[in-house]
Amino acid sequence: AQKITQTQPGMFVQEKEAVTLDCTYDTSDQSYGLFWYKQPSSGEMIFLIYQGSYDEQNATEGRYSLNFQKARKSANLVISASQLGDSAMYFCAMRGITGGGNKLTFGTGTQLKVEL
Amino acid sequence: SAVISQKPSRDICQRGTSLTIQCQVDSQVTMMFWYRQQPGQSLTLIATANQGSEATYESGFVIDKFPISRPNLTFSTLTVSNMSPEDSSIYLCSVETTGTELYEQYFGPGTRLTVT
Repeated sequence: AQKITQTQPGMFVQEKEAVTLDCTYDTSDQSYGLFWYKQPSSGEMIFLIYQGSYDEQNATEGRYSLNFQKARKSANLVISASQLGDSAMYFCAMRGITGGGNKLTFGTGTQLKVEL
Repeated sequence: SAVISQKPSRDICQRGTSLTIQCQVDSQVTMMFWYRQQPGQSLTLIATANQGSEATYESGFVIDKFPISRPNLTFSTLTVSNMSPEDSSIYLCSVETTGTELYEQYFGPGTRLTVT
């Protein structure tokens, strides 16, 4: 079984500052993928970034980076230079590549609010 | 990436009725999924829509309540049958693509359903 834990129900950050959203996971799979999605109030799920368990380098996509610490089973999302438009719910998710099939398991999410 | 559209974007329905949600992808994809997001909750996988065969349902979801069709590699429908207020949720179609970033998974804009 796979489990994703997001311990921060809500976070505040000032515009232009960096923020880290925490995510820890548990799985018995040897190979897996970790995802972060952004969900604005409109409800759509926007894919942000992906990290494979065998990727040696941390994934980066523009202002988003994934701080992957395999031994600690953590996959924190770092957003640099926060913008007002970053205010949204953020979900961490994982999927096993072997054994877990293609099912995504989601965390409970973190509501991020960017302030002036 | 993949461009996914869903119809309708939102609906208000009376209990006891049924609603069919359509999902269209701009390219052929192997894997299509249907998720449910109840108010204030995370996403839960309903089923995997298999092309040319019956959908694979997750625990707690049954075909009589959530019949799914997938006539080809770009289209799927989810029907929410005999609706009750507990079915009020966002329903999201999702697809898996392979490309430069393996196992990327994208979501449609969602269908916001309210049952009265």
